[in-house]
Amino acid sequence: AQSVSQHNHHVILSEAASLELGCNYSYGGTVNLFWYVQYPGQHLQLLLKYFSGDPLVKGIKGFEAEFIKSKFSFNLRKPSVQWSDTAEYFCAVNARTTGAGSYQLTFGKGTKLSVIP
Amino acid sequence: GAVVSQHPSWVICKSGTSVKIECRSLDFQATTMFWYRQFPKQSLMLMATSNEGSKATYEQGVEKDKFLINHASLTLSTLTVTSAHPEDSSFYICSARTAKVIYEQYFGPGTRLTVT
Repeated sequence: AQSVSQHNHHVILSEAASLELGCNYSYGGTVNLFWYVQYPGQHLQLLLKYFSGDPLVKGIKGFEAEFIKSKFSFNLRKPSVQWSDTAEYFCAVNARTTGAGSYQLTFGKGTKLSVIP
Repeated sequence: GAVVSQHPSWVICKSGTSVKIECRSLDFQATTMFWYRQFPKQSLMLMATSNEGSKATYEQGVEKDKFLINHASLTLSTLTVTSAHPEDSSFYICSARTAKVIYEQYFGPGTRLTVT
């Protein structure tokens, strides 16, 4: 079964610091990768996604992520965080459950980001 | 485009009663809908997958008689929590996908259920 690992449970940064959140997955086939954000008390929002092509994808609010196939990674980055980026961030992988099976979306456990003004 | 709504956004019910949550795709036809559960400070856990007109497929450990899912049309799926208990209190989130783009899901805003 596929799994998604987010290395950091809680990250605390000062405003203007750079951010990198790790995400690794275990699946050998073709994957579709997502990062979602959940602001306190709010619903899940899509930050960015990767299906194919350029492994460096840009999302909303200045976020970007790089797909490194050889490392099974899809790390999220932002050069300068703001207090408003305080939220929970979820990495997710969508892949076939078996070779010809249906697609299943698997979430990581999430990383809480706290940005100190 | 690709908007999914849920109703209600929050609900409080007494133990032993049943609660129905609606999930609608507003501007597309959702051939498949998914129901997730999220406990505080935790990730989303898939409860079940439903295809329009078919019975839902439940994940291991999810009681199908307790969490009744109906996907009667291409724009509506419902989750009914029967005989709710306090441990059923959670955030329930639905998502939907189309037949054309099977590797992306569109998420609803979630429903906060509190059972007293």
